[in-house]
Amino acid sequence: GAVVSQHPSRVICKSGTSVKIECRSLDFQATTMFWYRQFPKKSLMLMATSNEGSKATYEQGVEKDKFLINHASLTLSTLTVTSAHPEDSSFYICSARERTSGRPSTDTQYFGPGTRLTVL
Amino acid sequence: AQTVTQSQPEMSVQEAETVTLSCTYDTSESNYYLFWYKQPPSRQMILVIRQEAYKQQNATENRFSVNFQKAAKSFSLKISDSQLGDTAMYFCAFMTWDNYGQNFVFGPGTRLSVLP
Repeated sequence: GAVVSQHPSRVICKSGTSVKIECRSLDFQATTMFWYRQFPKKSLMLMATSNEGSKATYEQGVEKDKFLINHASLTLSTLTVTSAHPEDSSFYICSARERTSGRPSTDTQYFGPGTRLTVL
Repeated sequence: AQTVTQSQPEMSVQEAETVTLSCTYDTSESNYYLFWYKQPPSRQMILVIRQEAYKQQNATENRFSVNFQKAAKSFSLKISDSQLGDTAMYFCAFMTWDNYGQNFVFGPGTRLSVLP
């Protein structure tokens, strides 16, 4: 099956710094990538939807200036947590939609392995 | 708005036994997809099984099968011959779509422990 990678797998940073997380579709082109946040022992919460070549669509309550998303190519999307604070510590998961049929209803979404961010 | 409910935060089952995980959802949509995802300790989300709402036949995938009751908005997962590797968090998810893309909603998850 299709593979989605994330880098880094875990990162520790100081409060006030910015952190970039990469999401790559390794063997397919992903016109759409999704970014989720997962708190400990909680479910996945969609943060934003990223379409290649256009601005990301953010879910209600997600600060777009805080979480910068760039989808510059069909295989790469990046999430930058700007001026990170301890409350941004979380597990961030990306997924990529493999466009096999051209119809959103049947395209399969593949998940990356996640990135654990710890802000000290 | 769509919601997904998993009423069992934690469950356990003996190895080789059968277990059923519950999921209910609320929607006014007529066309949608339902999924069960597994998240083992590695945290990698793995698709277990997928059901298309317009199909009456319940999906099956080897030891995994679903009981899809559209009128009741219920979508339970049955794991037969449970194996130690089935230990994981299981998320029920609901997907709708429009011309622009897919919209996923995940349930809160059920932590399943398979006991030796």
